[in-house]
Amino acid sequence: GENVEQHPSTLSVQEGDSAVIKCTYSDSASNYFPWYKQELGKGPQLIIDIRSNVGEKKDQRIAVTLNKTAKHFSLHITETQPEDSAVYFCAASQNSGTYKYIFGTGTRLKVLA
Amino acid sequence: NAGVTQTPKFQVLKTGQSMTLQCAQDMNHNSMYWYRQDPGMGLRLIYYSASEGTTDKGEVPNGYNVSRLNKREFSLRLESAAPSQTSVYFCASSGVSEQYFGPGTRLTVT
Repeated sequence: GENVEQHPSTLSVQEGDSAVIKCTYSDSASNYFPWYKQELGKGPQLIIDIRSNVGEKKDQRIAVTLNKTAKHFSLHITETQPEDSAVYFCAASQNSGTYKYIFGTGTRLKVLA
Repeated sequence: NAGVTQTPKFQVLKTGQSMTLQCAQDMNHNSMYWYRQDPGMGLRLIYYSASEGTTDKGEVPNGYNVSRLNKREFSLRLESAAPSQTSVYFCASSGVSEQYFGPGTRLTVT
């Protein structure tokens, strides 16, 4: 079955710097890769996603890149702000009608003011 | 729209007790999911329901049962709770692709 590895487990950056979180997946049939942000005491919320027919996607300060050959995808956050502090999860899924996600283990991002 | 709602928010059980976690969504989604979240292990799928009337096992189904009561509601039952089931439980629903998560239930089994 699919396995998703996520690194690093914790990341501290100065406000205004960039943050990069990396994930690798094992199943070449996976074709949908969402990223979720989880704030303390809340459920995860989708922040960006990418499909396997696209190499990069950007939404304001957030971007995701996908390398299908190497089976890895990354989340890039530029100009970090204190409100970006949260736990971020990557996931991989196949488009088989029901999107069963396999999640990475999460990255705790701390943005230092 | 309330999105995905879960009850209760918190629960403490003794070993061997049973309980049902409730989940409802108002987005007319076909698919619903139950996850557990443990420190350092991310979210792991317990059971899911692709559509009303169907349920399937996920990664960690042992010790749990589910019921897709109708299109809106998907419940998770612990028949005989064990300390290993201490966790935060999230329900989610999806239409085309994105999963929307509820606020979670924090369960402690003593």
